[in-house]
Amino acid sequence: DAKTTQPTSMDCAEGRAANLPCNHSTISGNEYVYWYRQIHSQGPQYIIHGLKNNETNEMASLIITEDRKSSTLILPHATLRDTAVYYCIVTSNFGNEKLTFGTGTRLTIIP
Amino acid sequence: DTGVSQDPRHKITKRGQNVTFRCDPISEHNRLYWYRQTLGQGPEFLTYFQNEAQLEKSRLLSDRFSAERPKGSFSTLEIQRTEQGDSAMYLCASSPVGSYNEQFFGPGTRLTVL
Repeated sequence: DAKTTQPTSMDCAEGRAANLPCNHSTISGNEYVYWYRQIHSQGPQYIIHGLKNNETNEMASLIITEDRKSSTLILPHATLRDTAVYYCIVTSNFGNEKLTFGTGTRLTIIP
Repeated sequence: DTGVSQDPRHKITKRGQNVTFRCDPISEHNRLYWYRQTLGQGPEFLTYFQNEAQLEKSRLLSDRFSAERPKGSFSTLEIQRTEQGDSAMYLCASSPVGSYNEQFFGPGTRLTVL
């Protein structure tokens, strides 16, 4: 799996959009970008994934650059409940049965 | 609640004792995973099952660790002769056919070895 690089921590004001970057410059053509988050004392939670097109669901939007070397997870209207560690994971959807988590970005939503 | 459940949520044991954890996945999910997480780190893969077959084990899974999923439903993770370095959160996850990277995690079992 390709290596990812994320900032260690970020703050965002409540109600504003939280933009979490991820670099994955060694991503290969068949690898997807997945995002998970882990709220304190809970297991990780799947958020969204994409290959090359931008994706949106009820939780977030995922913007992947055209060269696919980086991506941004967007939480459009952050709430205090979005305070968590966010993990960006690059993995193939074929024959890869485990998720390789890094240390993620600790996002703190400020009231 | 039909999510992944784990039991117990917390376990304190003395060094050298054996411990066993249980995971009940979402019922229609055929894949089940075990991860371990230490403080300040992301979860690390230990092993996974497809139905009752254990298909991969990490090098982190020493001979003291064994996992089973006897009927392709719940799974158990046993640690024999626990060591202080085994203290961690043990997470279980499950995923459905065709969406193996969309894993649903349980709340974890926090193990403390004294």
